[in-house]
Amino acid sequence: DAKTTQPNSMESNEEEPVHLPCNHSTISGTDYIHWYRQLPSQGPEYVIHGLTSNVNNRMASLAIAEDRKSSTLILHRATLRDAAVYYCILRDGDAGKSTFGDGTTLTVKP
Amino acid sequence: EAQVTQNPRYLITVTGKKLTVTCSQNMNHEYMSWYRQDPGLGLRQIYYSMNVEVTDKGDVPEGYKVSRKEKRNFPLILESPSPNQTSLYFCASRTFLQREWVDTQYFGPGTRLTVL
Repeated sequence: DAKTTQPNSMESNEEEPVHLPCNHSTISGTDYIHWYRQLPSQGPEYVIHGLTSNVNNRMASLAIAEDRKSSTLILHRATLRDAAVYYCILRDGDAGKSTFGDGTTLTVKP
Repeated sequence: EAQVTQNPRYLITVTGKKLTVTCSQNMNHEYMSWYRQDPGLGLRQIYYSMNVEVTDKGDVPEGYKVSRKEKRNFPLILESPSPNQTSLYFCASRTFLQREWVDTQYFGPGTRLTVL
């Protein structure tokens, strides 16, 4: 899997938007961008994925740069329950191997 | 409820005593995988299985065995555990969507293993 780079940590205030960046300069044309998050004391959970176009779902939005070398996960109104480690990973086709980086630890302040 | 279950959730054992951590999913997923999570090292894949009777090594397979005799179960076996296998273990599963290649893995709650 191609490598991704994320900031180690970010802070946000409650009810404000949060933009979590991810760089993936070596992304290939067939790599899908996936985001997972891991709440304290839980297993990771899927958040969103995309290929080229921006995506929205009930949890978040994913903005993908035109050259696909970076993406941003957007939480529109952060809540205390959004405090977690957020992972950005790339997956090419149906490869069995899966590589998670260190992720970004998001702290949400009341 | 769709879920991945792991047992036990917590285990303390001694070096060399064989153990098995079970993983079961009720979503009829073809793909299952085991990860370990250690501070500062993130999630690392141990083994994965694309379907019944098909298993492959991940990034850190040494010291572990797996089997996939049934679609729903994917046990992780430590034949002779050592202290460096003290870790938090996660099992995950997903299906294969033919429309697009996505990786929506469902993770279990984790098993915290301590080897003394």
